[in-house]
Amino acid sequence: DIQMTQSPSSLSASVGDRVTITCRASQSIGIYLNWYQQKPRRAPKLLIYAASSLQSGVPSRFSGSGSGTDFTLTISSLQPEDFATYYCQQSSSTPLTFGGGTNVEIK
Amino acid sequence: QVQLVESGGGVVQPGRSLRLSCAGSGFSFTTYTVHWVRQAPGKGLEWVAFISYDGRNKYYADSVKGRFTISRDNSKNTLYLQMNSLRVEDTAVYYCARDAAAAAATWVFDYWGQGTLVTVSS
Repeated sequence: DIQMTQSPSSLSASVGDRVTITCRASQSIGIYLNWYQQKPRRAPKLLIYAASSLQSGVPSRFSGSGSGTDFTLTISSLQPEDFATYYCQQSSSTPLTFGGGTNVEIK
Repeated sequence: QVQLVESGGGVVQPGRSLRLSCAGSGFSFTTYTVHWVRQAPGKGLEWVAFISYDGRNKYYADSVKGRFTISRDNSKNTLYLQMNSLRVEDTAVYYCARDAAAAAATWVFDYWGQGTLVTVSS
């Protein structure tokens, strides 16, 4: 199974900050990496697929990069509605696996 | 608009069974692979199973293999998860999620239901 490791597990940031979350795969997954946002008591929402493609309707302040084993989700200017938990997920092979999540909190 | 609505959750004793349903609407259900993903209370996301658009291909996480069965009825636009021999560690919110591409399997989840809570407890 491919293990997905996210860091940090949590962070505190202010509105307007640039935020970066990293995700590392235990083996190469090409660009088969996706990012989701989840707010409390809500279903996850797809933000980025194929490492860097922005899902329709997602604000352009979200961006993704990386390939192979190392990936990054960046929020260029954090907005109040962005405080949430973010998960990476590999879609390279079954079983499909998620990172442990990064909780973005208000500083 | 695309909607996925889960039902069937509840409280069940260890060792018993439960069947979840997920009704799809607002899209051509018969052409999409669909998945079950679960989230234990306060924990992260865990993929459970998926079934191809035509029902021919099914894959399961090792944690549920042999106990859970995924199926679909395309005439009713409905996905199912039959859960047998339930364990305390199966307690979670269960989400159904649509695959991002029609007539294919990208293994990317572009739409999710609101989830249904399954609690396994004596």
